[in-house]
Amino acid sequence: DQQVKQNSPSLSVQEGRISILNCDYTNSMFDYFLWYKKYPAEGPTFLISISSIKDKNEDGRFTVFLNKSAKHLSLHIVPSQPGDSAVYFCGRQGGSEKLVFGKGTKLTVNP
Amino acid sequence: DAGVIQSPRHEVTEMGQEVTLRCKPISGHNSLFWYRQTMMRGLELLIYFNNNVPIDDSGMPEDRFSAKMPNASFSTLKIQPSEPRDSAVYFCASSRERAEAFFGQGTRLTVV
Repeated sequence: DQQVKQNSPSLSVQEGRISILNCDYTNSMFDYFLWYKKYPAEGPTFLISISSIKDKNEDGRFTVFLNKSAKHLSLHIVPSQPGDSAVYFCGRQGGSEKLVFGKGTKLTVNP
Repeated sequence: DAGVIQSPRHEVTEMGQEVTLRCKPISGHNSLFWYRQTMMRGLELLIYFNNNVPIDDSGMPEDRFSAKMPNASFSTLKIQPSEPRDSAVYFCASSRERAEAFFGQGTRLTVV
C-alpha cells in the first residue's frame, strides 16, 4: 500500500513562474515529510523537509506547505529556473525511521 | 566524506545468474535503506536496517532477494536467480537518526 501519493507524473512551467508539486498521504502517524530532487543518472538529493507539528517551512526559493486536515503537502518553487528541471520525490518518515516515497513528479522548466 | 558508495555502477547479467550489489554508508550513520527505482513504481523501499539490524523487509519483492549488513560500514543486496523484470536502478541510502537520508549514485542493473 502506497501511503504517499504523487498523482501528477509530470509538470511543465515557464522559467520565472511558480512550480507547485503536490503530494497526498493516507496515514497521519508520521513525524517528517521530505522532498528530494533527482537528476538523471544521479541519486536523489535532499531538498527540504517539514515536521508534522508545522504547516510551513521555507528555504530560499523552496517552500513546503503541510495541510494536516487534508493530508496534503505541496512544494512551491519560486521563481522556477531551468536548473530545477528534475524528478521530485515526496517522502515521509515515521518514528521507526522508515522512509518511503511517492512515485515522483517530473518537473520541466522551460526557458 | 565520500558519501554513500555503491558498486558496481552498472551491471549486465544473464537471466538466472546471481547478482550482488554493494553499499558503503556514510560513517556514523546508523540507518541504511535499499531502494529500487522503476518507471512504474517510482522509488520503492525494499528493506532498511537500523544499527545493522533489518527492521522492515516487507518491500522485498520475493525470496530471490536478500540483504545483509554484517557491519556498520557495509551492506549487500543479492538477487538469486536474477530475472529480466529485476532490471532497474537500485539505490542505497544512509542517515543518522532523525536526519535526512543521503543516497548513493545507484547501480543500474540489466538482466538479459
